[in-house]
Amino acid sequence: SQQGEEDPQALSIQEGENATMNCSYKTSINNLQWYRQNSGRGLVHLILIRSNEREKHSGRLRVTLDTSKKSSSLLITASRAADTASYFCATDGDKIIFGKGTRLHILP
Amino acid sequence: GAVVSQHPSWVICKSGTSVKIECRSLDFQATTMFWYRQFPKQSLMLMATSNEGSKATYEQGVEKDKFLINHASLTLSTLTVTSAHPEDSSFYICSLTMDRFYEQYFGPGTRLTVT
Repeated sequence: SQQGEEDPQALSIQEGENATMNCSYKTSINNLQWYRQNSGRGLVHLILIRSNEREKHSGRLRVTLDTSKKSSSLLITASRAADTASYFCATDGDKIIFGKGTRLHILP
Repeated sequence: GAVVSQHPSWVICKSGTSVKIECRSLDFQATTMFWYRQFPKQSLMLMATSNEGSKATYEQGVEKDKFLINHASLTLSTLTVTSAHPEDSSFYICSLTMDRFYEQYFGPGTRLTVT
């Protein structure tokens, strides 16, 4: 079964707005990672948050992790057209498993 | 981050032929390599995990005799799709890691189309 599941499945927002995506998982993890994938391309690693961390920042990205709820969120602030992509979370318990992704579309 | 290359970027082949995809780490030694497959508009699905010098571990439902993985060195892994069929048409992505509990570095992917 899928370990990570992103929510929502798809999201359209206006350029400049903030985008929030959520990820839920089922079993214990060592870390949780977020990736971006432009259509038909390989994945780009965005950020890794370890199980003992609660929040992490990288540029316009902010990731939170709540291990009690087995969930994580990815916030992209001041979105840009170039942020249009699919975003995946991946968890590393016994193996690294990807969710189905959130397709983010930034409207000009 | 590390640089990972895949070759070829895309390939079209006839049904019944075999296709080899290479995954190379250009600037670090990868102890573990992963192969993923992605169908259109779907998530990445892990196919197999390989450690240098040992046999690959395949995920349930992945035929090891059809998808041959050779982790020849710390910088090279190959995936051979044997006797390819149209249903094998997909996007194949490799990733490398120095330690499975750390970041994975992904290749750019190979798009395979079997006619």
